[in-house]
This record gives sequence, structure tokens and C-alpha cells, in this order.
Amino acid sequence: ILNVEQSPQSLHVQEGDSTNFTCSFPSSNFYALHWYRWETAKSPEALFVMTLNGDEKKKGRISATLNTKEGYSYLYIKGSQPEDSATYLCAFKGGFSGGYNKLIFGAGTRLAVHP
Amino acid sequence: EPEVTQTPSHQVTQMGQEVILRCVPISNHLYFYWYRQILGQKVEFLVSFYNNEISEKSEIFDDQFSVERPDGSNFTLKIRSTKLEDSAMYFCASAKGYEQYFGPGTRLTVT
Repeated sequence: ILNVEQSPQSLHVQEGDSTNFTCSFPSSNFYALHWYRWETAKSPEALFVMTLNGDEKKKGRISATLNTKEGYSYLYIKGSQPEDSATYLCAFKGGFSGGYNKLIFGAGTRLAVHP
Repeated sequence: EPEVTQTPSHQVTQMGQEVILRCVPISNHLYFYWYRQILGQKVEFLVSFYNNEISEKSEIFDDQFSVERPDGSNFTLKIRSTKLEDSAMYFCASAKGYEQYFGPGTRLTVT
């Protein structure tokens, strides 16, 4: 059974703090690692799709790194703002049949940024 | 910006009843998915659909479940005889490339 783990489960930070979360996934049969940002009652929003070992991606204050050999990805938020409060989901895509495969999700990290 | 939409946002049904959850994927997307999240658990894959047929399904997706793309725009998930354990948030997603775009979900409550 493929398992994707995220830590921490939840995080409370002050506005302006920088923070990071971890996603660990199977290191074999890797195809891609997806990060989503999910606010309650809204659609999960795609942040990054990462495919290559050593990949680093950035969108504004949010960045992510990928290590496929050891099976982990980090998501960083620099200078957290209250609007960053959301659940951050990572999802593993295995290489069994290509890029349109199912996603296997972690449980998410719930971030709360306090003013 | 195009988005995936789902209706209804919340559906309450009695055990044993049939429900149909509706999704309108992004118009030029070719791959369609249903996922669900039972409260307190991970988002889990149900089924993927391409070229008018199921391409993969999970163990959860038994004979009580079916999917259809009846008119080239809607993508539906039918549960024939709902059980209490079907209560969950159901998400539709669509893809053209490798990115999957999700709708806001339908919360299904079975009483």
C-alpha cells in the first residue's frame, strides 16, 4: 500500500514568520509530486507539480523542493501572512502508467497564521 | 480563469437512496477523476475516466458506484444505494496535462 505522510499535522505561526512542511512519499516508481493549497469551502488550488530530483519551484513567497531518491519534498512559506492560512496537501503520482495517473494524498498540514 | 464546478454543494440523503453528484470539468480537458474525503481522513481516489471509459478504479469503487459523461460537458458520479459510510466530501477533478484541477466538492451526508 502506497503511503504519503505529511508533517506537522497543524502549525500555528505569527504573521511574518517563515515556515516549512514536509511530505514523504515512496521513493520507487515515482512520477510526480503535487502540492495543493486548500481553503475550506473552496477548490484545492494547484501550487506545484514537481517531477525531477532536485527540482525547486517558487511562486511568490512559497517555494518547494524535491528529493525523489529519499522520498521527500519540503514546502516553504517566507514571511507568512494571514491569507496563507489553509491546509497544504501533497499528492504522489506513481509511474505505473503515466502522467494522468491517480493522485495519492497525504493528510495535509493545516496552517494558521495569526496577525 | 476556467474552473471545475460541482453541484450540489451539499446533499443530504437517506440510506438506501440513489444520489447523483454532478461535475462540469474544464472544457478542453480530457481526463476526469472522482476523489472523496471522509471526515478526518485523507483524500482518496475513486475512479479515473478517459475516452468515455473508466481507466482506473479503486477498491472503494464497487458495483454501487458508476460514472458517466452523458453529454460531453457533465461528468457524474452515481451511488445506487447509499450507505452511512458513503458520507464524505466528493471532489471532481479534470486534467489536460499532468496537473489535476479540482472542483470545490459536494458534501454528501447519508442519514
